Amino acid sequence: NAGVMQNPRHLVRRRGQEARLRCSPMKGHSHVYWYRQLPEEGLKFMVYLQKENIIDESGMPKERFSAEFPKEGPSILRIQQVVRGDSAAYFCASSPGQSFLYEQYFGPGTRLTVT
Amino acid sequence: GIQVEQSPPDLILQEGANSTLRCNFSDSVNNLQWFHQNPWGQLINLFYIPSGTKQNGRLSATTVATERYSLLYISSSQTTDSGVYFCAALNQAGTALIFGKGTTLSVSS
Repeated sequence: NAGVMQNPRHLVRRRGQEARLRCSPMKGHSHVYWYRQLPEEGLKFMVYLQKENIIDESGMPKERFSAEFPKEGPSILRIQQVVRGDSAAYFCASSPGQSFLYEQYFGPGTRLTVT
Repeated sequence: GIQVEQSPPDLILQEGANSTLRCNFSDSVNNLQWFHQNPWGQLINLFYIPSGTKQNGRLSATTVATERYSLLYISSSQTTDSGVYFCAALNQAGTALIFGKGTTLSVSS
């Protein structure tokens, strides 16, 4: 059973470009979470999605960031008009059900560098 | 919201030594997890332990939910144990893991 998959593993964007990060949850998992790890900071929650629904986006910056988890295909975290402060490691996690009952499994992360 | 604090922030050990890492959380939790972030940045699940004790090889963990703390024990440490250890507790809404700042462990041979 493959783990959580994220691609690309490394992404370099120039200021003002768009970044698209993809996450394929573990087989049988329908709950997806995105976290961000800024340099010298801990991991911070961004957004929690189930298929076709955003459940909690309280950790998402108000502008330029969006996330989706369509009925088919991977979850996408989209960052428009990237700035240097967006440089970070972005981790996706998945679980088979609500986290009250299930642990979250993390992918290898996407390291975004904005030049 | 829930606060998660880890101690110590840094730990330096010789190979073969034992260590205890602590995680305090400010409210009751339904989900508590321990992770190891290796030097390549990958997050490895260690334990899902909202309460009780679990063991996996040289690692074990205990969570005392009523006293709001969890401990991670590493015995006979190896250089491959180096990295950052995070604990994370589920928020009250059940939607997000709240991470501590981590304990950075360095094991030298």
